Amino acid sequence: LAKTTQPISMDSYEGQEVNITCSHNNIATNDYITWYQQFPSQGPRFIIQGYKTKVTNEVASLFIPADRKSSTLSLPRVSLSDTAVYYCLVAQGKGYSSASKIIFGSGTRLSIRP
Amino acid sequence: DTEVTQTPKHLVMGMTNKKSLKCEQHMGHRAMYWYKQKAKKPPELMFVYSYEKLSINESVPSRFSPECPNSSLLNLHLHALQPEDSALYLCASSQDRTYQETQYFGPGTRLLVL
Repeated sequence: LAKTTQPISMDSYEGQEVNITCSHNNIATNDYITWYQQFPSQGPRFIIQGYKTKVTNEVASLFIPADRKSSTLSLPRVSLSDTAVYYCLVAQGKGYSSASKIIFGSGTRLSIRP
Repeated sequence: DTEVTQTPKHLVMGMTNKKSLKCEQHMGHRAMYWYKQKAKKPPELMFVYSYEKLSINESVPSRFSPECPNSSLLNLHLHALQPEDSALYLCASSQDRTYQETQYFGPGTRLLVL
């Protein structure tokens, strides 16, 4: 199973762009990369998912280099409400073996200051 | 409706009590999950149900007993818990059990075992 490594914490200021990088050196060919956001005392919330190159939605962008051994979540113009824990997950692609599972990494605690 | 609901929000129980956590979704999802999350730690997968059948049990102690009465409901029955079982218990659902599917999480039940 591909494990992920992220910075434990990051600080930034309102209006800045924040980039959180995740390392997943053992990612398998059919693994997808998914990011979730979690506020205190709430369940995680899906942000974005990708397989390769770049994915963008209304909330964030996800950059994945050609070797797929890392990925970068980019949050444009953050606000105080973006203060949360961000988890990078590597999820195995279609398949129903018992080994298919999601493992949350340790997460990055992002603090946004005024 | 993209909501997963969980009841109760908070639960305090003694080590000899029997209680149940409930989870409900009406998104037509066929995979449902239980996670356990300790403070400042990532969620840990406990159980996965796919099409109302238990497909993954992550070696969870038998004092936790999951049940999926139908495709919309997921229960977690608790009996003879230990204080170290105190945690946030999260329920999630996804379209099916292929792990690149987005998981929708409920707000969790915060459990305190005395």
